[in-house]
Amino acid sequence: SQKIEQNSEALNIQEGKTATLTCNYTNYSPAYLQWYRQDPGRGPVFLLLIRENEKEKRKERLKVTFDTTLKQSLFHITASQPADSATYLCALEGFTGGFKTIFGAGTRLFVKA
Amino acid sequence: DTGVSQNPRHKITKRGQNVTFRCDPISEHNRLYWYRQTLGQGPEFLTYFQNEAQLEKSRLLSDRFSAERPKGSFSTLEIQRTEQGDSAMYLCASSLENSGNTIYFGEGSWLTVV
Repeated sequence: SQKIEQNSEALNIQEGKTATLTCNYTNYSPAYLQWYRQDPGRGPVFLLLIRENEKEKRKERLKVTFDTTLKQSLFHITASQPADSATYLCALEGFTGGFKTIFGAGTRLFVKA
Repeated sequence: DTGVSQNPRHKITKRGQNVTFRCDPISEHNRLYWYRQTLGQGPEFLTYFQNEAQLEKSRLLSDRFSAERPKGSFSTLEIQRTEQGDSAMYLCASSLENSGNTIYFGEGSWLTVV
């Protein structure tokens, strides 16, 4: 079955540093990969989408890479701020007997001032 | 654009009771999704609609769960004979019909079964 793996351990970094989160997947050929942010008790909020034929996408302090050979995406937040502290979810959209989006468990990021 | 709206936001019910959640998607969105999320986990796919047609239902969804989207606008998710294991946040989301579009989530409906 399809599986999405994200670092289960929380990531703690110092303000100003770059945070790098990893998303690996198996048994899946996604057409799109997305990253979402989720704050406690709130619904996820979309951040970035990258297509299978794209290697990298940037948006302000955010950068996503997508390696379909390694079946991996990296999500970077540069010049991190305490306000970036949240859970970050990796999501894949593709055909799995139906075209839908499935999510990883997320990685909790803490940015210390 | 008022966003995806879910009601009620919180529901506490006794085991064995039925509960219904409502979702109002963003008005021009054709697709509507239901996900379930428990603490420390990502959203788990339950079902999705394109307009009023329910295109897929997760095998994880027992017969006690039913979702409808009668006029292709709002949707309801009903859970019959609730069990303690049903306690979770139920998330609704919507998107435009074409794939590769952003999914917009509501704030979720928290269910606690006691």
